[in-house]
Amino acid sequence: EVQLVESGGGLVQPGGSLRLSCAASGFTFSNYWMHWVRQVPGKGLVWVSRINSDGSSTNYADSVTGRFTISRDNAKNTLYLQMNSLRAEDTAVYYCTRSVQWTTIAAHWGQGSPVTVSS
Amino acid sequence: QTVVTQEPSFSVSPGGTVTLTCGLSSGSVTTNFHPSWYQQTPGQAPRTLIYSTKTRFSGVPDRFSGSMLGNKAALTITGAQADDEADYYCVLYMGNGMMFGGGTRLTVL
Repeated sequence: EVQLVESGGGLVQPGGSLRLSCAASGFTFSNYWMHWVRQVPGKGLVWVSRINSDGSSTNYADSVTGRFTISRDNAKNTLYLQMNSLRAEDTAVYYCTRSVQWTTIAAHWGQGSPVTVSS
Repeated sequence: QTVVTQEPSFSVSPGGTVTLTCGLSSGSVTTNFHPSWYQQTPGQAPRTLIYSTKTRFSGVPDRFSGSMLGNKAALTITGAQADDEADYYCVLYMGNGMMFGGGTRLTVL
């Protein structure tokens, strides 16, 4: 069974940093594209970033480019999102997703990790 | 800036059929965007229903179906049930990422 478990969220001050992790199990992690998607409470889903299976290719939403970095450790079956220069508008639940095999289509979702940026 | 459009809300009677759509503010949705659909109930993570226009995800009942309707993607729920009451999001896969629609809140009453 595919399992994605996010961790690392919490309360951080504006301008601060946080690193989210997503521990994957139940599948061969190194074979799949992965994404981060976020959701402000009460609002819609917003794509944040994606990374290919070996970590050599990454893409970001304009709103986080230059501040967030997606990465992965295939030996540890873990996806990361390093978030720097955090702003109040980055407050959201962050979901880790796994793609359908051979595609970039997000299919399996974690339960999410809440991030609050506030002084 | 192009945005993905969805009906903000919809209602359906139990046992009824409803079709939700997913369009673009500028241009047409095609299968090349691999339109996909997700369901989210309050307090829960999204759940994948349909991907690449019409492929039903594992474990999804066949009363959920995807299609193209003119220049939009569509999600049809046939024989709506009370637990289909949820938010439904479509997403389009673009060259360097993906873009979600604003979601449709479906009420079953």
